[in-house]
Amino acid sequence: QVQLQESGPGLVKPSQTLSLTCSVSGGSISSSSYYWSWIRQPAGKGLEWIGRFYTSGSTNYNPSLKSRVTISVDTSKNQFSLKLSSVTAADTAVYYCAREPRDGYNSLDYWGQGTLVTVSS
Amino acid sequence: QSVLTQPPSASGTPGQRVTISCSGSSSNIGGNTVNWYQQLPGTAPKLLMYGNNQRPSGVPDRFSGSKSGTSASLAISGIQSEDEADYYCATWDDSLARYVFGTGTKVTVL
Repeated sequence: QVQLQESGPGLVKPSQTLSLTCSVSGGSISSSSYYWSWIRQPAGKGLEWIGRFYTSGSTNYNPSLKSRVTISVDTSKNQFSLKLSSVTAADTAVYYCAREPRDGYNSLDYWGQGTLVTVSS
Repeated sequence: QSVLTQPPSASGTPGQRVTISCSGSSSNIGGNTVNWYQQLPGTAPKLLMYGNNQRPSGVPDRFSGSKSGTSASLAISGIQSEDEADYYCATWDDSLARYVFGTGTKVTVL
């Protein structure tokens, strides 16, 4: 059974960089069969796709966040990471990591439990 | 601003059929398959339906999905109290080059 677990600071100061890690167990992050994605959800609001990483090194980012986002993978630790720079209060949200099978359906079949990140001084 | 529009709320009494719509365009629903996610209160979203009408293992068959043109719908036949949740449609948008979620529908069992 695949499991994903987000970790990282729960509080980030404005203008700083938000850094989160997603640890994957029960499957290899190096598999060519999956994308590894980040999604966020402000309190009481809907879901926003941030971007995804593929083991070949290719990435896709939400154009509205692209200038501030970097998603990378550490295969030795079976983890992937999110960095979001120059954060503001608008970046306060629960951040989820998820797996997307490369089967053409673009579905996110496994999700982490989510981690709340608050941007505040 | 989401490009997929859903009604903010839907409701039904136990045993009733409840349907949720998801309206998009040719660049998203019109050209790609639709997925649905269920988010129970305080939990992470869960994949409920993929490929328009395919249920992942473990999803009850009272849930069904369909797609026609640039719209999709999720139906819950014989709704139960444990189905109270937020539901989101989602798909890839070829024009925006990103994954897009619907606005979300809160389902209440009366």
